[in-house]
Amino acid sequence: EDQVTQSPEALRLQEGESSSLNCSYTVSGLRGLFWYRQDPGKGPEFLFTLYSAGEEKEKERLKATLTKKESFLHITAPKPEDSATYLCAVQADSGGYQKVTFGTGTKLQVIP
Amino acid sequence: DGGITQSPKYLFRKEGQNVTLSCEQNLNHDAMYWYRQDPGQGLRLIYYSQIVNDFQKGDIAEGYSVSREKKESFPLTVTSAQKNPTAFYLCASSRRIGPDTDTQYFGPGTRLTVL
Repeated sequence: EDQVTQSPEALRLQEGESSSLNCSYTVSGLRGLFWYRQDPGKGPEFLFTLYSAGEEKEKERLKATLTKKESFLHITAPKPEDSATYLCAVQADSGGYQKVTFGTGTKLQVIP
Repeated sequence: DGGITQSPKYLFRKEGQNVTLSCEQNLNHDAMYWYRQDPGQGLRLIYYSQIVNDFQKGDIAEGYSVSREKKESFPLTVTSAQKNPTAFYLCASSRRIGPDTDTQYFGPGTRLTVL
């Protein structure tokens, strides 16, 4: 069974204090890994798709990387507006339908 | 602007009632999905549809029903058979379901509460 584990569950940072969120996965036939940002009471907002080990993508203060077993979301010099829950998801072959399995998220709080 | 809309934002249901959640997209996407989100759990797939007039059960379809009469619309009915329907419901769409990875985009969600 496909599994996605995100750590830590919660992270509290001072403004400007860089850190990384981890997403480890166990799937057969990885097709892609996704990162989303979710604000309270809202739907997830797409951030990145990574397709293969070694790939990196950046957007403003966020940088996502992918290895064969895990992905990291690096946050450089975060600001209070980066506070949100960050979700990781993987898409894998599942008998014709490429199922997407979601992690439970990392809740990030950035303090001014 | 292209996007996904869900209505209503909040919905209250009495026990024994069926309720229908609306999902509309103007992204011209073929595939649409319904997920349920509960605290401390990852999103769980209820139903998905690859094309008009076709849909498939996800991991937790019991107590739910869907229809796909138009490409743009994928309503979800929460029936009285769903034992614990209080949750945050998310609709998503992607260009297609196929051999290539395709990103799912989400609507704003509907919070359903059973009174």
